[in-house]
Amino acid sequence: EIVLTQSPGTLSLSPGERATLSCRASQSVSSSYLAWYQQKPGQAPRLLIYGASSRATGIPDRFSGSGSGTDFTLTISRLEPEDFAVYYCQQYGSSATFGQGTKVEIK
Amino acid sequence: QVQLVQSGAEVKKPGASVKVSCKASGYTFTGYYMHWVRQAPGQGLEWMGRINPNSGGTNYAQKFQGRVTMTRDTSISTAYMELSRLRSDDTAVYYCARGTAVFHLGPIDYWGQGTLVTVSS
Repeated sequence: EIVLTQSPGTLSLSPGERATLSCRASQSVSSSYLAWYQQKPGQAPRLLIYGASSRATGIPDRFSGSGSGTDFTLTISRLEPEDFAVYYCQQYGSSATFGQGTKVEIK
Repeated sequence: QVQLVQSGAEVKKPGASVKVSCKASGYTFTGYYMHWVRQAPGQGLEWMGRINPNSGGTNYAQKFQGRVTMTRDTSISTAYMELSRLRSDDTAVYYCARGTAVFHLGPIDYWGQGTLVTVSS
């Protein structure tokens, strides 16, 4: 089973700042089958990025994904108030697993 | 529009089983994988497995092998997840979630509203 480790656990930033979230896999994720989700309290997760770098429908271009192999990154170029949430990476190339999440909180 | 409507909250005793349903609408039920994901209170997301509604074929996470059973009834576009031998640490919100077209690898794009399962003596 592929284990995903996200860092940092919590990111404290101000609106307008850039957020960089990391997701590291215990083994290579085939064909960049890596997705990112956003979850707000009391809500189901929302798909942001799939295929490591493709934005899902309706996702603003301030969200971008990059990486391959075992190292992946989600970048939010300028944080909006609605972006403060928990973010999860998921690999779906070998069954599926989620990372433990990174909380982006207001500083 | 795609909708996944889950059954209501459940309270179960340790050792019992729970069966959660997920009724799909707005798309061809047999054309897309259905995943089950759970989230314990204050914790992260945990993938439990998926079912191919067309064939009934399943793929379970190692952790749940032997305890989880995913089935479907294509006549009513409904998927089911049954978890047996419940423990207190199975207390969680259980989500059904639609994946990509069968025989393709892809992410989850639609989620149900979640079903809270509480395991308590």
